[in-house]
Amino acid sequence: EAGVTQFPSHSVIEKGQTVTLRCDPISGHDNLYWYRRVMGKEIKFLLHFVKESKQDESGMPNNRFLAERTGGTYSTLKVQPAELEDSGVYFCASRTSGGVYNEQFFGPGTRLTVL
Amino acid sequence: LAKTTQPISMDSYEGQEVNITCSHNNIATNDYITWYQQFPSQGPRFIIQGYKTKVTNEVASLFIPADRKSSTLSLPRVSLSDTAVYYCLVGDGTGGYNKLIFGAGTRLAVHP
Repeated sequence: EAGVTQFPSHSVIEKGQTVTLRCDPISGHDNLYWYRRVMGKEIKFLLHFVKESKQDESGMPNNRFLAERTGGTYSTLKVQPAELEDSGVYFCASRTSGGVYNEQFFGPGTRLTVL
Repeated sequence: LAKTTQPISMDSYEGQEVNITCSHNNIATNDYITWYQQFPSQGPRFIIQGYKTKVTNEVASLFIPADRKSSTLSLPRVSLSDTAVYYCLVGDGTGGYNKLIFGAGTRLAVHP
């Protein structure tokens, strides 16, 4: 079974540009999460989808970030316009409904560098 | 939201048992205790989870005292490949299906 995949693995952009990150969860996983770790900080929750609906977006830092999950399959996270402080590693995770509490399956992350 | 406290770093040698203790004084009644492992350039990986007493799987054991204010992750006979960051997490109080709350983790270095 394929794990969670994220694309791209690395992205380098200039301040003010737009970047779109993609996450493909494990097939059949209704729950999809985005997290990020910015420079030297802890991994922080951004938002949680259940199928195509946003269950919790309390961690989204501001309105420059837009997450979508059309059709309840893959998800995209767009940053527009990107700022220097957005640099970090963005992780996606997924889980099935039910199952083991707190067990989420993480992708390898996308390393975003904003110059 | 429960906060966890764990050592910033630990060192060990191959073949030794490693115990990492985590404090979570404000754990909620319906919170589970979960440990994740993270290697460089990878996402965190679930290791083990428990609610009380002891849980064991093929990777580790988790010891939780009756008051649940702390927990200990035990890694038997570590190898170089166990060098990683280990995170202790407790739930967000809603039953464990929502966001994970990561702390700084414990950076374990295993030496030959």
